[in-house]
Amino acid sequence: AQKVTQAQTEISVVEKEDVTLDCVYETRDTTYYLFWYKQPPSGELVFLIRRNSFDEQNEISGRYSWNFQKSTSSFNFTITASQVVDSAVYFCALSEGGWSNDYKLSFGAGTTVTVRA
Amino acid sequence: NAGVMQNPRHLVRRRGQEARLRCSPMKGHSHVYWYRQLPEEGLKFMVYLQKENIIDESGMPKERFSAEFPKEGPSILRIQQVVRGDSAAYFCASSVGLAGNEQFFGPGTRLTVL
Repeated sequence: AQKVTQAQTEISVVEKEDVTLDCVYETRDTTYYLFWYKQPPSGELVFLIRRNSFDEQNEISGRYSWNFQKSTSSFNFTITASQVVDSAVYFCALSEGGWSNDYKLSFGAGTTVTVRA
Repeated sequence: NAGVMQNPRHLVRRRGQEARLRCSPMKGHSHVYWYRQLPEEGLKFMVYLQKENIIDESGMPKERFSAEFPKEGPSILRIQQVVRGDSAAYFCASSVGLAGNEQFFGPGTRLTVL
């Protein structure tokens, strides 16, 4: 069963527009962790943020912000005033290692963001 | 402070040959994960290892694939008798092994099977 759903396959925006990436997750664990990773065209995976299930506080880091809502099982990601360098594939991921020692990540299918100049 | 290292970065094999992918975790990390990214697809978990132990191999194909993380040296993902469908990017990640700790990824090995 799909644990992480990123319904948006591709998003294209013009520079300086805001873009929001949706992520919906599914788990029966009460303790879990959510992540966002960025994969630029060069191919490497860059860690962006981690959130645990007990911390619903939204977070802002520069032009990036994250909105975690347990009531809707969502962990959405917004890029404000997008730039061409933001063009990448963005992955949302879930780790259910709250009770076991298995910390593997379940990834969504990814959302390709293209920012046009 | 070196990150996760993977080699080779690119590997070309003919059908039926063996592929060996190496991963050296970040300093201080004792947990290693392997993920596979098939063309136009997301990342899929393959195997999770600690030193000398396989913790979870639920994502590994039942045949031809094996992984190890010896006491000394890098983690190795081995694919025997490769087929064209094995062509993918293979990523290794490492962490300190605590619940919820971020996994840091290596640059990946792009395997092409001719």
